[in-house]
Amino acid sequence: DAGVIQSPRHEVTEMGQEVTLRCKPISGHNSLFWYRQTMMRGLELLIYFNNNVPIDDSGMPEDRFSAKMPNASFSTLKIQPSEPRDSAVYFCASRALDRVGEQYFGPGTRLTVT
Amino acid sequence: KQEVTQIPAALSVPEGENLVLNCSFTDSAIYNLQWFRQDPGKGLTSLLLIQSSQREQTSGRLNASLDKSSGRSTLYIAASQPGDSATYLCASGGNTPLVFGKGTRLSVIA
Repeated sequence: DAGVIQSPRHEVTEMGQEVTLRCKPISGHNSLFWYRQTMMRGLELLIYFNNNVPIDDSGMPEDRFSAKMPNASFSTLKIQPSEPRDSAVYFCASRALDRVGEQYFGPGTRLTVT
Repeated sequence: KQEVTQIPAALSVPEGENLVLNCSFTDSAIYNLQWFRQDPGKGLTSLLLIQSSQREQTSGRLNASLDKSSGRSTLYIAASQPGDSATYLCASGGNTPLVFGKGTRLSVIA
């Protein structure tokens, strides 16, 4: 298995632009998680899905952030409009629903907003 | 709300030394405790997962212990090597998503 796939790996954009991050979970996994990692705050959960349904989005910082999971093999995290404080590494992780805690992480997308 | 703390934030040791990384959590009602390794610019790699019914798990030179009553877990690394240099994160698992500590950045000096 190729593991969790994220794209792009690096994204540099200007303030105000729309940013879309993409994630392909491991085949057969039915839970998907989006995290953000910064030096100051560490690794923070933004939102997670079970069976393509958003379960908890309380970690999404503002209405500028939105996430979708149209099917079991694809999810997006969108920031519109982007701001410099959104600069961070965004990770996607997946797991099987019955395997509590055993998450597998993608390589992350390093986002820089100038 | 679960809070996970890792001390120290950074640690530097000479090659060959045995070392212990610490992790504490506030809510003992956890399903499991997981240790991850993160190399610079990379994602997280799972090292060890201890179920709540277990006391420890071992993999090679790594040994992780769990004491739910005291809200603590330790990761023991034997005979450290420069290749062990990375950030180590612990995370508590429950019926909600993982809650992570901020990690300990380990440097093993040759």
